[in-house]
Amino acid sequence: AQSVAQPEDQVNVAEGNPLTVKCTYSVSGNPYLFWYVQYPNRGLQFLLKYITGDNLVKGSYGFEAEFNKSQTSFHLKKPSALVSDSALYFCAVRPFGQNFVFGPGTRLSVLP
Amino acid sequence: SAVISQKPSRDICQRGTSLTIQCQVDSQVTMMFWYRQQPGQSLTLIATANQGSEATYESGFVIDKFPISRPNLTFSTLTVSNMSPEDSSIYLCSVEDPGRTNTEAFFGQGTRLTVV
Repeated sequence: AQSVAQPEDQVNVAEGNPLTVKCTYSVSGNPYLFWYVQYPNRGLQFLLKYITGDNLVKGSYGFEAEFNKSQTSFHLKKPSALVSDSALYFCAVRPFGQNFVFGPGTRLSVLP
Repeated sequence: SAVISQKPSRDICQRGTSLTIQCQVDSQVTMMFWYRQQPGQSLTLIATANQGSEATYESGFVIDKFPISRPNLTFSTLTVSNMSPEDSSIYLCSVEDPGRTNTEAFFGQGTRLTVV
């Protein structure tokens, strides 16, 4: 079965410090990889994606993610966290020609 | 990108009743998707709605409970029928980037449903 794991339910980080939100996946083939963010009472907003090419992809709001094929991981990172980054983050994979599979989500809290 | 408007944004409903959620997109899209996000959980795909054909439902979801309409390329509705408290969730409409495939999805702001 295809699955996405986000091993941390909650990540706390101090403002200004770097942050990492982890994601690993188990799918067949070479899926497309995505990160989405959900603010309270809002839908999901697209942050970034990996399709092919450079393993480090840059996205919105200063976020980036690193694809590691051997570890089947796609961790989300930001060099310097902001309080406004506090939200729920979802990793998602999309096997080619198939629907999205979303991870369980990680709640990020950035403390002032 | 696509701009998606969902209505209502939230509702409180009595058990046994039905609620129809509307999803309007600002451009023509081939497929529209309906997701459920139960409290504290991730997104689960309910069905894919194609214009001119019946929706395709995922395992665990049936048309009698979640009838879907797709009258044109910019609009869809999801009805939650004969509601029970277990149906309390956020329901999200989603589309892909118009004119492209296998790209990111865009989401409406969601409908927060509470069944009492």
